[in-house]
Amino acid sequence: KAGVTQTPRYLIKTRGQQVTLSCSPISGHRSVSWYQQTPGQGLQFLFEYFSETQRNKGNFPGRFSGRQFSNSRSEMNVSTLELGDSALYLCASSLDPTGGQGYTFGSGTRLTVV
Amino acid sequence: TQLLEQSPQFLSIQEGENLTVYCNSSSVFSSLQWYRQEPGEGPVLLVTVVTGGEVKKLKRLTFQFGDARKDSSLHITAAQPGDTGLYLCAGSTGTASKLTFGTGTRLQVTL
Repeated sequence: KAGVTQTPRYLIKTRGQQVTLSCSPISGHRSVSWYQQTPGQGLQFLFEYFSETQRNKGNFPGRFSGRQFSNSRSEMNVSTLELGDSALYLCASSLDPTGGQGYTFGSGTRLTVV
Repeated sequence: TQLLEQSPQFLSIQEGENLTVYCNSSSVFSSLQWYRQEPGEGPVLLVTVVTGGEVKKLKRLTFQFGDARKDSSLHITAAQPGDTGLYLCAGSTGTASKLTFGTGTRLQVTL
């Protein structure tokens, strides 16, 4: 079966611009989470959606937002990009709504802010 | 704030050697997950342990969850070059639907 699909794979943006990343979870998975991965901070939780509702949010500024559609596909948006937003953004989906049984991750979107 | 510390941070060994990676926290988790990540890809789930003291084996990999559910270990027997990658532990509280990731252990296995 198809895995978690993230688009685009690579993105280069300029400071001050905004960006939208997309994630299609595994069919049937209604929980979708987003993580930011950087060499200095590792993997950090951004937010999680379940049935179109944001259930949890990490400690990121309001410039980071997301949403989930009725087909469970999710998007995240970063406005007013800063150099420090350069990172690998990972989306993960889970069949278990608590995530306690594990997540399937996509290959990520590599965002570079110049 | 929940933190997961992994040790060692880096490990470079030769094929055939054994190794153990540790994942420690002062917090209790309802489950502990281990992932392996290769360059340019997302983490891949290796195992989930949910019961204190639980031991799971996946071929040459042995995972253990501490009795108090605050720590875990990953032991690899007779490492192979295909085991090379970034190993990440991640804790779940079961109710928060989010993972707290460990600091990671980068393993390199050479011939």
